Formats: sequence, C-alpha cells, structure tokens
Amino acid sequence: GQNIDQPTEMTATEGAIVQINCTYQTSGFNGLFWYQQHAGEAPTFLSYNVLDGLEEKGRFSSFLSRSKGYSYLLLKELQMKDSASYLCASLDSNYQLIWGAGTKLIIKP
Amino acid sequence: GAVVSQHPSRVICKSGTSVKIECRSLDFQATTMFWYRQFPKQSLMLMATSNEGSKATYEQGVEKDKFLINHASLTLSTLTVTSAHPEDSSFYICSAGAGDRYEQYFGPGTRLTVT
Repeated sequence: GQNIDQPTEMTATEGAIVQINCTYQTSGFNGLFWYQQHAGEAPTFLSYNVLDGLEEKGRFSSFLSRSKGYSYLLLKELQMKDSASYLCASLDSNYQLIWGAGTKLIIKP
Repeated sequence: GAVVSQHPSRVICKSGTSVKIECRSLDFQATTMFWYRQFPKQSLMLMATSNEGSKATYEQGVEKDKFLINHASLTLSTLTVTSAHPEDSSFYICSAGAGDRYEQYFGPGTRLTVT
C-alpha cells in the first residue's frame, strides 16, 4: 500500500531550528513535495525534491534520500508566523500526489 | 504567477439544496485540476481529478452523481455538491497542475456549511 508518515505535532521556540521528518512508501516515485498550510487556508508550495540531497531556499531547506524513502523539512530562525501545518506529499508512478496527514508546528515565544 | 481562484470562499446552504464551487486558473492554462476535501484537523483527501474536455476520475468512495465535476475549459473547473447534507460540510479545495514538475497550485478553498 501507499503510506506517508510524519509526526502529528511538534513544538519549537521562536528563533530556533526545527526538523520535520517524513517517510514514504509509494508505488513508484516522481518527487517529494512539502506544503505549508495555515489554519483555515489552502496549502502553499514550499519545496520539491526529486534528487537526493539538500535544497535550500532561504530559511527553509528540504532533504531527500530516495534509498531510504525519507525526507525532512528544516526550518531555521523560526518566527511566530511559521506556526502552521506542514504537509509532506509523494508523487507516485501515476503522477498522483499521496498526502501525509500533516505535522502541526507550534512556535512558542 | 500560477494563481488559482476559487468562488465562493464561504457558503451556507440548507440541506437538500445544491451548491456550485468554481475554480479558475488566472494566469496559466491548467490541463488538470484536482478537487480535495478536508475535514477539521485532517489531511487533504483527493476527491477527483479532472482533465479539460474529459470526464473526471473519481477516487474510491466518492459518489460521482453527488459531486458533479465539469472541466469546461483550460482555466475553469466546477464542483457541484448536489442534494447537500450536513455531513457534506467541509473545506473544499481545488488545485491546478502547471509546468513540468507536477506541482499543484491551490485555490484559497471554499468552506461549505450545510444546515
């Protein structure tokens, strides 16, 4: 079956660094997406990885290991506005996104 | 670029009535549009995938006669919830595919409340 696992909830302190992990098992693989979703709003695109390694984009970085079926999203210099849910999604062999349940990130002052 | 609009943003209707939700790609042509439903504190659930000019492909468990999808053009897809019931109350989100990275651009969502 297809499965995406990520922690349900994480808490971090403003100004700190947090890493949100995601493991995936999908039929075929064509890339891994991370989206941010604030409460009551639609998701917004953060990153896309299809090759192994780390991709950095400002305060956010995303890492992929295809052999391990593993990805993480790294958020640096956390700000209160980063409080949101972070969704991991794998693109399967049919180019369909398989979504994780999301990780709710709580930032404390 | 890659802006997707959705209308209405919020709708309240009575049980038994039908509601139409529009999804438009404003600055690009979307050959594929996706419709999702999201219940509180849950992840996105794909309802159907629609390609312009062809019938939508529905996910297992989604009633095609209840959730009518029309992808009339490369910039417009509509979802009609027919004979809505309180259990259909949810956050409905559309997304459109663009570019060659299969990235989906999401509309702002429609919150449907059926009383």
